[in-house]
Amino acid sequence: AQSVTQLDSQVPVFEEAPVELRCNYSSSVSVYLFWYVQYPNQGLQLLLKYLSGSTLVESINGFEAEFNKSQTSFHLRKPSVHISDTAEYFCAVSSDMRFGAGTRLTVKP
Amino acid sequence: DSGVTQTPKHLITATGQRVTLRCSPRSGDLSVYWYQQSLDQGLQFLIQYYNGEERAKGNILERFSAQQFPDLHSELNLSSLELGDSALYFCASSIGQGYNSPLHFGNGTRLTVT
Repeated sequence: AQSVTQLDSQVPVFEEAPVELRCNYSSSVSVYLFWYVQYPNQGLQLLLKYLSGSTLVESINGFEAEFNKSQTSFHLRKPSVHISDTAEYFCAVSSDMRFGAGTRLTVKP
Repeated sequence: DSGVTQTPKHLITATGQRVTLRCSPRSGDLSVYWYQQSLDQGLQFLIQYYNGEERAKGNILERFSAQQFPDLHSELNLSSLELGDSALYFCASSIGQGYNSPLHFGNGTRLTVT
C-alpha cells in the first residue's frame, strides 16, 4: 500500500522568507504525486503535480516541488512567501488519492 | 471555481438522524470521491465512484453509504448520526479513474450533529 507523511503539522514563517514543506511517501511502484492547497472555508485546490518527466515541477504562484525517488520525497518550496500564502497544504500520492495530514503554513508580517 | 457543486453548504441535525449530502461533479468528470475532514482525523478518504460503479473504498463507516447516479451526480447518506460525525464533508471529481488524474474539490458541506 502507498502512504504519505507530512513531517510538519505547522510551519510559521515571516513574509518574504523561504519555506519548505516536507512530504515523504512510501510505495513499491511508480507513483504520481500532488500538492493541494486549502484556503480557509474552501475546498482543496491543485497546486502542482508530478506525473512523469522532469523531477522539478512548478506552480503558477511561485511554488515548486522536486520528486526525489531515492529519498522518496516530494518537498514543496517557495523562495519568498507572501501573507496570501497562509493556508493548509496537503501532499497526496496516487493510488486511491489518500492525503497526508496537512501542513498549516502561517506567514507573518 | 472548481466546477464541483455541493449542497447543502451547512447542515445541523440531531443525533440519531439521517442526512443526505449531494454532489454534482465537474462537467465531463466520471469519478466522484467523498472525503471527511475533521480536526482530529484530518482528511479521510471515504469512497470513490467511477461512472456509476464503486471503484474504491476507504474509511467509510457502515452507517454511511453512497451512490453515483446515471447523470453522474452523487449522494452520500449518513445515518444514525453521532456527535463524532460532525465534520466537513468534501466531494471531489476527476476525469478518469484516478491515479494520474488531479481531483477538483467542491467547497464542502459542514455537518453539525447536536
